[in-house]
Amino acid sequence: GNSVTQMEGPVTLSEEAFLTINCTYTATGYPSLFWYVQYPGEGLQLLLKATKADDKGSNKGFEATYRKETTSFHLEKGSVQVSDSAVYFCALSETGKLIFGQGTTLQVKP
Amino acid sequence: KAGVTQTPRYLIKTRGQQVTLSCSPISGHRSVSWYQQTPGQGLQFLFEYFSETQRNKGNFPGRFSGRQFSNSRSEMNVSTLELGDSALYLCASSLVGPREKLFFGSGTQLSVL
Repeated sequence: GNSVTQMEGPVTLSEEAFLTINCTYTATGYPSLFWYVQYPGEGLQLLLKATKADDKGSNKGFEATYRKETTSFHLEKGSVQVSDSAVYFCALSETGKLIFGQGTTLQVKP
Repeated sequence: KAGVTQTPRYLIKTRGQQVTLSCSPISGHRSVSWYQQTPGQGLQFLFEYFSETQRNKGNFPGRFSGRQFSNSRSEMNVSTLELGDSALYLCASSLVGPREKLFFGSGTQLSVL
């Protein structure tokens, strides 16, 4: 079946460091790909999405490119802030539902 | 525009009891999905409702059930609670379904003692 694999966390960075969170997927067909973020005590919020190969999703300085050849959708940000500390989930759409990765905790220190 | 509202925020139950969780979607959204979040299993899909009909169902036992009302509000019920049902239950709404942007509520934290 379809699945999503994310890099293990936690990831700890200093403010203004470059961020990469790896995400790879296994899927039949052409799913849409998503990054969701969860702040402490809250539900998930959509960060960005891409619906077809080579699409780049971007939002709030975060970017991810849908790479069909490597089945990847890595999340990047050039300069992280303390306020980016959260849990990040990669997900793909399957008929009627999203399949999520395990989540990667990001901690940004001042 | 009000967001997705889930009630109650916290719930403590004992094994064998049953529980009902409520979700009010964003106005105009007709699709409501439910997910279970645990540290060990992560986020797992329970079911999705659209216009009062269950369209999709995850791999959970029959103790987990849900319904959607004509105003799109949804409830999920868990009967004969087990310790392993302790989790954060998240509801998400969207206009037409999960391929579009999902708007999540803050969840109901269920503890089974």
